[in-house]
Amino acid sequence: GAVVSQHPSRVICKSGTSVKIECRSLDFQATTMFWYRQFPKQSLMLMATSNEGSKATYEQGVEKDKFLINHASLTLSTLTVTSAHPEDSSFYICSASGTGRDKNIQYFGAGTRLSVL
Amino acid sequence: GENVEQHPSTLSVQEGDSAVIKCTYSDSASNYFPWYKQELGKRPQLIIDIRSNVGEKKDQRIAVTLNKTAKHFSLHITETQPEDSAVYFCAASLGGSYIPTFGRGTSLIVHP
Repeated sequence: GAVVSQHPSRVICKSGTSVKIECRSLDFQATTMFWYRQFPKQSLMLMATSNEGSKATYEQGVEKDKFLINHASLTLSTLTVTSAHPEDSSFYICSASGTGRDKNIQYFGAGTRLSVL
Repeated sequence: GENVEQHPSTLSVQEGDSAVIKCTYSDSASNYFPWYKQELGKRPQLIIDIRSNVGEKKDQRIAVTLNKTAKHFSLHITETQPEDSAVYFCAASLGGSYIPTFGRGTSLIVHP
């Protein structure tokens, strides 16, 4: 199956700093990637849909200036948490849809645990 | 938009017992229903899926059933093992590149 790589797996930062998370599709081209946020023992909350070469589509309630998404190529999408605060601490996961027969399947990255001090 | 309800939120069983997780969806146009397993601290992984033209699908100890009329689908795990312990998410989508809507998850605990 397809592989999605996400880095870093864990980041600890001071309040006010920005953090960039990368999501790469390793063996397929992903025109669309998705960014989720997951709180402990809760479901995956879709934050935004990242489209290669165009602006991301954000879900209601998600601040686009806070969570900057860039999808510069068919294999890379980045999420930047700007001026992070403790309330931004969470588990962030990206995913990409497969291609061809696998286009319905979501392949997830391993996630990034962000801790803002 | 689509709304997916998942129950129970927590399920505790003894090793060897069966486990059933149920989901309902609201959009009758949804036609693709995957189930994901997420072990603690790891990524969700697809374990089984079903499309709307099929009523049941099995893969060894795992089966999924779909009732389109009632708009609900269920995951059945037989002969549970401790390694089945994880959070299970159901989802519903229109298929293709449409974004799936996830249920809230069920934490399955299998006691040895």
